Amino acid sequence: NAGVMQNPRHLVRRRGQEARLRCSPMKGHSHVYWYRQLPEEGLKFMVYLQKENIIDESGMPKERFSAEFPKEGPSILRIQQVVRGDSAAYFCASSRRITEAFFGQGTRLTVV
Amino acid sequence: GDSVTQMEGPVTLSEEAFLTINCTYTATGYPSLFWYVQYPGEGLQLLLKATKADDKGSNKGFEATYRKETTSFHLEKGSVQVSDSAVYFCALSDSGNSGGSNYKLTFGKGTLLTVNP
Repeated sequence: NAGVMQNPRHLVRRRGQEARLRCSPMKGHSHVYWYRQLPEEGLKFMVYLQKENIIDESGMPKERFSAEFPKEGPSILRIQQVVRGDSAAYFCASSRRITEAFFGQGTRLTVV
Repeated sequence: GDSVTQMEGPVTLSEEAFLTINCTYTATGYPSLFWYVQYPGEGLQLLLKATKADDKGSNKGFEATYRKETTSFHLEKGSVQVSDSAVYFCALSDSGNSGGSNYKLTFGKGTLLTVNP
């Protein structure tokens, strides 16, 4: 059973470009969570999604950030018009119910 | 709001040494407490957890006891191995702060442990 798969592992974007981060949950998991780890900080909760629904986006910046988890395909975290401050590691986790979440390896975004 | 403070690293030990990584927390409700481990190049893995006061979580020789009176959840291992080299994260989920569902984790900054042979 493959674990949570995130891609790409590393992403470099110029300021003003869009970044799309993908997360494929573990088989049978319908709950997805995104966390962000800024340099020298712990992981911070961003958003919790179930299939086709955003359940809790209280940790998402109000502008430029969006997330989706469509009926088919991976969950996508989208950052529009990236700025240097968006440089961070973005972690996705999934769970079958609201129980132990399994984390992916993360996507390291660098904005130049 | 909720917060987790853990010992700053890096921590460097020799094989078979005793390990302690301190973790303290603040929470509005009655949290569950966790230790996650991230090995080089991998995602975070749950190492152990405790859901109520005086519970002891244990796994792979690691232990941590939920101390409500000192709001602490220190990680210990009696004899570390080179393979324990990783980043360790203390975390909590506070059902009282997330509408009764404990899906939202609050993490410490992580402690890098390096074990030398």
